[in-house]
Amino acid sequence: DTAVSQTPKYLVTQMGNDKSIKCEQNLGHDTMYWYKQDSKKFLKIMFSYNNKELIINETVPNRFSPKSPDKAHLNLHINSLELGDSAVYFCASSPHTGTSVQETQYFGPGTRLLVL
Amino acid sequence: RKEVEQDPGPFNVPEGATVAFNCTYSNSASQSFFWYRQDCRKEPKLLMSVYSSGNEDGRFTAQLNRASQYISLLIRDSKLSDSATYLCVVGRMDSSYKLIFGSGTRLLVRP
Repeated sequence: DTAVSQTPKYLVTQMGNDKSIKCEQNLGHDTMYWYKQDSKKFLKIMFSYNNKELIINETVPNRFSPKSPDKAHLNLHINSLELGDSAVYFCASSPHTGTSVQETQYFGPGTRLLVL
Repeated sequence: RKEVEQDPGPFNVPEGATVAFNCTYSNSASQSFFWYRQDCRKEPKLLMSVYSSGNEDGRFTAQLNRASQYISLLIRDSKLSDSATYLCVVGRMDSSYKLIFGSGTRLLVRP
């Protein structure tokens, strides 16, 4: 009965590689997000999709490319990985369009990425 | 300066103690306010929303002062299981609605 799931849970890779992280939600939500939590525990939004449409694109290097094949899935592809990409990446979802000021977001368990 | 500021702690308190966390936010356009809880190596989870009138959920009381742009969380009768990081979060519209997270306040409750 997992609500928001991510794979893989851990990812260790070499600098310069390309990797993908997958996210799926079975809550029937319309909006999904990617967040990055760095070593100082600061959680920052990267992208948001509503019904497969990109609605938030923060200042993120274009090596990061989100893809939403359907509203239940939001994947994150990272090209040419750098040391500074090491962090925990959280996927999240919320019920509606992301325009409600009291909307709760539900987070996945996180993907711990370590770039060597 | 970060948009949402919190004292990182840690706050180290005995079981049964009352502990208060404070948070300030800089963007007056912020419209919604929350406390999330994050356990070690886990995802953030909503603890409670915060309303201008103040609200209580069991041992937890949250307050919002819009004039001072200040949010607080009070935990009474602390339990060992309250040990976690508490994230102050504000929501506002930009190109779309988004949440801005503080870096969290760490709480350790000791026996």
